[in-house]
Amino acid sequence: DGGITQSPKYLFRKEGQNVTLSCEQNLNHDAMYWYRQDPGQGLRLIYYSQIVNDFQKGDIAEGYSVSREKKESFPLTVTSAQKNPTAFYLCASSFSTLSNYGYTFGSGTRLTVV
Amino acid sequence: GQQLNQSPQSMFIQEGEDVSMNCTSSSIFNTWLWYKQDPGEGPVLLIALYKAGELTSNGRLTAQFGITRKDSFLNISASIPSDVGIYFCAGGMNRDDKIIFGKGTRLHILP
Repeated sequence: DGGITQSPKYLFRKEGQNVTLSCEQNLNHDAMYWYRQDPGQGLRLIYYSQIVNDFQKGDIAEGYSVSREKKESFPLTVTSAQKNPTAFYLCASSFSTLSNYGYTFGSGTRLTVV
Repeated sequence: GQQLNQSPQSMFIQEGEDVSMNCTSSSIFNTWLWYKQDPGEGPVLLIALYKAGELTSNGRLTAQFGITRKDSFLNISASIPSDVGIYFCAGGMNRDDKIIFGKGTRLHILP
């Protein structure tokens, strides 16, 4: 079955450490996205990629980095520069950024700083 | 920038009641989407609307694309416990740009 997989489901990080969240899709989608969700908040866009080897900053990119070396994969690194990284992170993909198609979301990674 | 105003922010209802929530914008959209997010999971697409005035159903869910193209509503009939979650509206401009999400309506069902 085609889908989008995020791993791990739960992640704990010590302050000052970088951590990488995985996102893999086998839907043959060109575009991929990372969102951050805080309690009571909506979805805030961190980064997105329309095509391999290209990505753009979203609304809250500071303290995060991404890469898009393969169509199927769009990992997100939460760096030590991100001051408040504890949140629920969602990866999504779509056929293109032509926004009438809708996005398919992964099941999320909950990151906690300890 | 473009914004979607989703209301209400949260709802507390009794099982069996009907639910109505809506989304408005100052901008025109060509696509309206409604998602549901179960606790601890990612959002799942419920209904997609592509034409002004369009009314689409998915089981007990009905959504409409407003005539002005600036709003949409979602109705849930005869709510059941598994309807609990966050419902997001999203608007698309049908061009090379990202979908805009509302902040969600959190639905609680009282025992």
